[in-house]
This record gives sequence, structure tokens and C-alpha cells, in this order.
Amino acid sequence: GNSVTQMEGPVTLSEEAFLTINCTYTATGYPSLFWYVQYPGEGLQLLLKATKADDKGSNKGFEATYRKETTSFHLEKGSVQVSDSAVYFCALEGHEEDMRFGAGTRLTVKP
Amino acid sequence: EPEVTQTPSHQVTQMGQEVILRCVPISNHLYFYWYRQILGQKVEFLVSFYNNEISEKSEIFDDQFSVERPDGSNFTLKIRSTKLEDSAMYFCASNRDRGLNEQFFGPGTRLTVL
Repeated sequence: GNSVTQMEGPVTLSEEAFLTINCTYTATGYPSLFWYVQYPGEGLQLLLKATKADDKGSNKGFEATYRKETTSFHLEKGSVQVSDSAVYFCALEGHEEDMRFGAGTRLTVKP
Repeated sequence: EPEVTQTPSHQVTQMGQEVILRCVPISNHLYFYWYRQILGQKVEFLVSFYNNEISEKSEIFDDQFSVERPDGSNFTLKIRSTKLEDSAMYFCASNRDRGLNEQFFGPGTRLTVL
């Protein structure tokens, strides 16, 4: 079945540092790929998505590109802020299977 | 902006008791889901529901669990006889077109089984 492997955390960065959180997937066909964010004490919020190869999802300075050749969807941000501290989940959804989440990566940004 | 709502936000129950977690999905959505997140762990799929029946369920969703759409707006998850290991955050989600649109998540219900 489909699965997602996500970079283990926790990740601690200083404000304005560059962020990369790796995500690779295993799937049949062409799944849609997502990054969800969970702020402390809150539910999951969609951060960005990509539905086909070479699509780039972007939101709030975060970006991820759907790379079919490497089966990856790495999350990047050029300059993180303290308010970006949260848990980030990579996820995929196939047309015949329901959504699968990665284990989550906890990001802490220090001033 | 429409959103998925869940009640209660926190439920405390004794082991062996039945609980019902309630969700109101976004009104024009057709697919409904329940997920579970044990504290500090990954989000796990439980069940999906479409056209008034379960379309897929995971190994976690055993006979102790059931889902229902009792009316045109609510979507419920029932745990018949809770166990300590059922303590988790339970998220409801919905979307309009499975596989094409993102799922919208509710804020979750924290279930604590004592």
C-alpha cells in the first residue's frame, strides 16, 4: 500500500535559518501530496499541496515540489520565524486509497 | 469560511464506557473521515465514509468502533467499550472530491480513558 517516510525530528533552528524537511513516498499511480501543519494545541491545517509531477505547492513562504523521479516532496522555507514552530506532517492520497501521513517532524524556532 | 467542527473538545471517560464523538463536516462535502493521533505519535487513518456507508477502514477500526451519519449534518464515531489505549486525539475530516481536493480537518476531540 501507499506510505510516507518523513525526516525524523525534532528540528531546532534559529530565526531566519533555512528549513528543509525531507519527505519521500511509496505509491502506485499518481497520488496527491500534501503538507499539513499542527500548531501547539490545535488540529491539522493544510499548508500546501501538489497534485501532479513537477507541481510546486507554496504557502506562507513554504514550498514543496512534487518530484516523481525521486518520489519526494521535501518542504523548504528560506527564512523561518518563531511562529513557524509546529509539527509538520507530509501526507499522500491516492485515488484508490485513503490518506496516509508521515510520522511528523517537530520544528522549534528559537529567537 | 466554512469549517469542520467537533464536539466535545475534551472527553474523559472510564474504561469500558461507551463514547460518541461528534463532527459536523463542511456542508457540501461528500466524503468523511476519522483519524486518531496518540499523544506524540503519527496521525493514523481510521475510517472513511461515503454515500452512507464505510468505504475503507484500517486495522485499528475493529468491532468496538462504528460510524454513523444520523442526519444531514452530523457524522459520529462511537467507541463501544473504551480501553486505556483508546486515549488519543480524534480528528474528523471531510472533502468534496476524494483524491482531488484536500481534506479539511476539525480541531479534534481529546479522549482520555481512565
